[in-house]
Amino acid sequence: GESVGLHLPTLSVQEGDNSIINCAYSNSASDYFIWYKQESGKGPQFIIDIRSNMDKRQGQRVTVLLNKTVKHLSLQIAATQPGDSAVYFCAENAWPSSGGSNYKLTFGKGTLLTVNP
Amino acid sequence: GAVVSQHPSRVICKSGTSVKIECRSLDFQATTMFWYRQFPKQSLMLMATSNEGSKATYEQGVEKDKFLINHASLTLSTLTVTSAHPEDSSFYICSARRTGVYTEAFFGQGTRLTVV
Repeated sequence: GESVGLHLPTLSVQEGDNSIINCAYSNSASDYFIWYKQESGKGPQFIIDIRSNMDKRQGQRVTVLLNKTVKHLSLQIAATQPGDSAVYFCAENAWPSSGGSNYKLTFGKGTLLTVNP
Repeated sequence: GAVVSQHPSRVICKSGTSVKIECRSLDFQATTMFWYRQFPKQSLMLMATSNEGSKATYEQGVEKDKFLINHASLTLSTLTVTSAHPEDSSFYICSARRTGVYTEAFFGQGTRLTVV
């Protein structure tokens, strides 16, 4: 089912440290996952994606890890900078179990990352 | 990445009036667009999936007659909030995806709706 976050989890780190943001997904049929960054008052921005046939994918300063056994995703940000401060969402992509003709993205709760200079 | 433009970015309307929000994919054709609603400090809640040339698919609990969606072309989808009430005040965000399973969704900048 869909996740609704009533209170955003928060993570506070020092500039230069590495950050790890975690996400649990709900649908074992989900086969594609995306991490998004959302700054205040803006739409989400794509960070990195991973398919279910992989367990790790790296981008520039970011790494996504996927553990299908426990339905868990993580986003690692290396050398975190103040500009990384935002809310981070994981999204899972699956064929809707209730029917319909489109794959759709369902968003997790989100984590507020604050980077202290 | 691809560009999705959403307009207006902010709108204030009186209770009982209708508001239309536009979502355009500027540099690719989007057979499918999605409309989300987001309350402060909460996640994005999918409202409906908009398919070009056909009726939208609404999520459970979303009123079809209140949130009218039209996807008249491959680059434009509109969401009309009819007879708006203060509880409809929220941040509405659209997204568009290219055809295919493993394709990222590109998001508009969102519309802050305030109903007074």
